[in-house]
Amino acid sequence: SQKIEQNSEALNIQEGKTATLTCNYTNYSPAYLQWYRQDPGRGPVFLLLIRENEKEKRKERLKVTFDTTLKQSLFHITASQPADSATYLCALFGDGGYQKVTFGTGTKLQVIP
Amino acid sequence: NAGVTQTPKFRVLKTGQSMTLLCAQDMNHEYMYWYRQDPGMGLRLIHYSVGEGTTAKGEVPDGYNVSRLKKQNFLLGLESAAPSQTSVYFCASSLGGGGYEQYFGPGTRLTVT
Repeated sequence: SQKIEQNSEALNIQEGKTATLTCNYTNYSPAYLQWYRQDPGRGPVFLLLIRENEKEKRKERLKVTFDTTLKQSLFHITASQPADSATYLCALFGDGGYQKVTFGTGTKLQVIP
Repeated sequence: NAGVTQTPKFRVLKTGQSMTLLCAQDMNHEYMYWYRQDPGMGLRLIHYSVGEGTTAKGEVPDGYNVSRLKKQNFLLGLESAAPSQTSVYFCASSLGGGGYEQYFGPGTRLTVT
């Protein structure tokens, strides 16, 4: 069956460092991969989208990579700030619709001042 | 521009009772979705709609029904609530399929006793 794995443990990093979050998947051929941020008690907020034929996408301090051979996406936050503390979700979308949208369970990031 | 709104924010039901969750969006989006989020399970797609008058099953549709009579509204119904349906429910909308970001509502916290 299709499976997405994100770091199940919380990630604690020092302010100013680069945070790297991992999203691994199996039994899936996603056409798109998206990353979302979720704060406690709130709905997820979209951050970045990357297509299967793209290797890397950047937006300000955020960077996402997509390796369809390794079946892995890495999400980087450079120069991290305490305000970046949240849970980060990856989501995989099959081509043609949302029948095959699958979200990971998320990684909780804590940036320590 | 309110984005995606959900009604109610909280609800407690007794087993066997019925209720309807309302989702509304003011962005003229074609696609709308209902998810549930449980600890350790991630977001799971219940039902979705790719346009007014259409609905389709997601990953966990059993025990739920939906309707999309108007483009801006997507209703999620529980005909006979069960404790297993205790969860946080999120509605989302997007312009199109996987290549478009999803906009999430604030969530409805439902407890079934």
